[in-house]
Amino acid sequence: DAGVIQSPRHEVTEMGQEVTLRCKPISGHNSLFWYRQTMMRGLELLIYFNNNVPIDDSGMPEDRFSAKMPNASFSTLKIQPSEPRDSAVYFCASSLGGSYNSPLHFGNGTRLTVT
Amino acid sequence: AQSVSQHNHHVILSEAASLELGCNYSYGGTVNLFWYVQYPGQHLQLLLKYFSGDPLVKGIKGFEAEFIKSKFSFNLRKPSVQWSDTAEYFCAVIGGSQGNLIFGKGTKLSVKP
Repeated sequence: DAGVIQSPRHEVTEMGQEVTLRCKPISGHNSLFWYRQTMMRGLELLIYFNNNVPIDDSGMPEDRFSAKMPNASFSTLKIQPSEPRDSAVYFCASSLGGSYNSPLHFGNGTRLTVT
Repeated sequence: AQSVSQHNHHVILSEAASLELGCNYSYGGTVNLFWYVQYPGQHLQLLLKYFSGDPLVKGIKGFEAEFIKSKFSFNLRKPSVQWSDTAEYFCAVIGGSQGNLIFGKGTKLSVKP
């Protein structure tokens, strides 16, 4: 299995632009998670989906952030408009049965820099 | 609210030194505990996990962790570190049957050759 695939690996954009991060979970996994990693706050859960349905989006910072999972093999995290404080590494992870029952498998992350 | 504390932000050791990274959590009920590792430029990987049973858990690459319920701790240990252990280590906790996975802020380990 190729593991969780995220794209792009690096994204540099100017403030105010729209940013879309993509994630392909491991085939057969039914839970998908978006995390943000910063030096100040460490790893924070933004949102997680179970069977393509958003279960908990309480970690989404504000309305500028949105996430979708149109099918079991693809998810996007969109920031519109982007701001410099959104600069971070964004990780996608998937698991079988939800985080309680099985460990997460993480993608390589997308390093976002907003100037 | 559930939280995870990792005491050390950055630990610097020489090769062959012993390692112990602290992790404390706050949750009064049943917990599942994890240590993840992130090598430079790589994604997070599971190092070891504790669900129940023997509180001393052995993971990959010679790492182990001990769950001490009375201290709400799950410290990570390795008797003799190697340069290749240089990475960032994250403790994570799930509290209860419906909880989310909560991460500590991570501890960066630098091993000098």
